[in-house]
Amino acid sequence: EVQLVESGGGLIQPGGSLRLSCAASGFTVSSNYMSWVRQAPGKGLEWVSVIYSGGSTYYADSVKGRFTISRDNSKNTLYLQMNSLRAEDTAVYYCAREDGAHWGQGTLVTVSS
Amino acid sequence: DVVMTQSPLSLPVTLGQPASISCRSSQSLVYSDGNTYLNWFQQRPGQSPRRLIYKVSNRDSGVPDRFSGSGSGTDFTLKISRVEAEDVGVYYCMQGTHWPPTFGGGTKVEIK
Repeated sequence: EVQLVESGGGLIQPGGSLRLSCAASGFTVSSNYMSWVRQAPGKGLEWVSVIYSGGSTYYADSVKGRFTISRDNSKNTLYLQMNSLRAEDTAVYYCAREDGAHWGQGTLVTVSS
Repeated sequence: DVVMTQSPLSLPVTLGQPASISCRSSQSLVYSDGNTYLNWFQQRPGQSPRRLIYKVSNRDSGVPDRFSGSGSGTDFTLKISRVEAEDVGVYYCMQGTHWPPTFGGGTKVEIK
């Protein structure tokens, strides 16, 4: 059974950093393309970043230069390093397999002083 | 970015009656490989999104056959043949043809 479990969210001050993790089971992360998608409170869905099986990465303009997507094949885990956080980054962050075939339960990131 | 426009924003439906959601894209979603990467997602209250339909009309495993997707080019539709109580939630279309992937604003389905 495919499972995705996010962790690492929390309350962080503006300008701070946070690293999100997404532990996968039931499939191999490195053999799929994996994404981070976020949802601000009461709002819709926004694609944040993707990493392809070959290692290529892409970012939404809103996070480019501040966020970094990566994976650890030995741990079958996806990461999102978030730096220079802003209030507008406040959202539930989901990891997703391929084009949304499977989603995790999400982890809430709140950027506030 | 490709803009995905859904309508209606809110859809009150009587149990057992059909429902239809429209999704229009600002550009054609036909990719160079001939496929059209248009997906539909359901998000029940308090839950993560769940993919229902991929590549316009393919139902995901475990999705009831009362859900169907259709369309082409820039115009797409999700239909629920007979709405059940468990169908309450927000439905999103999403295009994966052009980077970045973009979602529609969502349609909230509720029971009258």
